[in-house]
Amino acid sequence: GENVEQHPSTLSVQEGDSAVIKCTYSDSASNYFPWYKQELGKRPQLIIDIRSNVGEKKDQRIAVTLNKTAKHFSLHITETQPEDSAVYFCAASTLSGNTDKLIFGTGTRLQVFP
Amino acid sequence: EPEVTQTPSHQVTQMGQEVILRCVPISNHLYFYWYRQILGQKVEFLVSFYNNEISEKSEIFDDQFSVERPDGSNFTLKIRSTKLEDSAMYFCASSEIYYEQYFGPGTRLTVT
Repeated sequence: GENVEQHPSTLSVQEGDSAVIKCTYSDSASNYFPWYKQELGKRPQLIIDIRSNVGEKKDQRIAVTLNKTAKHFSLHITETQPEDSAVYFCAASTLSGNTDKLIFGTGTRLQVFP
Repeated sequence: EPEVTQTPSHQVTQMGQEVILRCVPISNHLYFYWYRQILGQKVEFLVSFYNNEISEKSEIFDDQFSVERPDGSNFTLKIRSTKLEDSAMYFCASSEIYYEQYFGPGTRLTVT
């Protein structure tokens, strides 16, 4: 079935450094790839997304890249800050009939140390 | 900024009891979803709903689960006879078109 793998499971960086989280997906029909940030006890919050017709997208300090051939996409956070500390989930979505569904990765716990 | 809301925030129930989890999606959204997250694990898709009917459901969404949009604003998830393994955080999500799903704050369901 559909599967999304995410690495690493934990990531610790010093404030100001960059952080990279990588995901691979199995369903070649997937065409939408969002990233969610989840702080402890809170809802998953959509922070950036990319569609399959785009290779890269940037929004201030965060960027996402997509390699459709390799079925691989990544989240890049530059100039990390302590408030970036959270669990980050990647997801892949395939349009099926009238709706889509998100298949999530297993999450990356990012800790940014001051 | 409009947000998805969910009630209750925490529900404790005994095994075998029925529970109804409620969600109010963002008002102009047309697509509705339920997901669950067992403590410490990833978010799992349960069901999608559009145009007053289920579009897709996962293997988790068996005959014990049902969804309903009883009026123009609420979207509910019912579990008919809860099991211990149903204990999880249940998230409702909505989107205006497909993609860009916005999540509610979740209902923590504890089955004892």
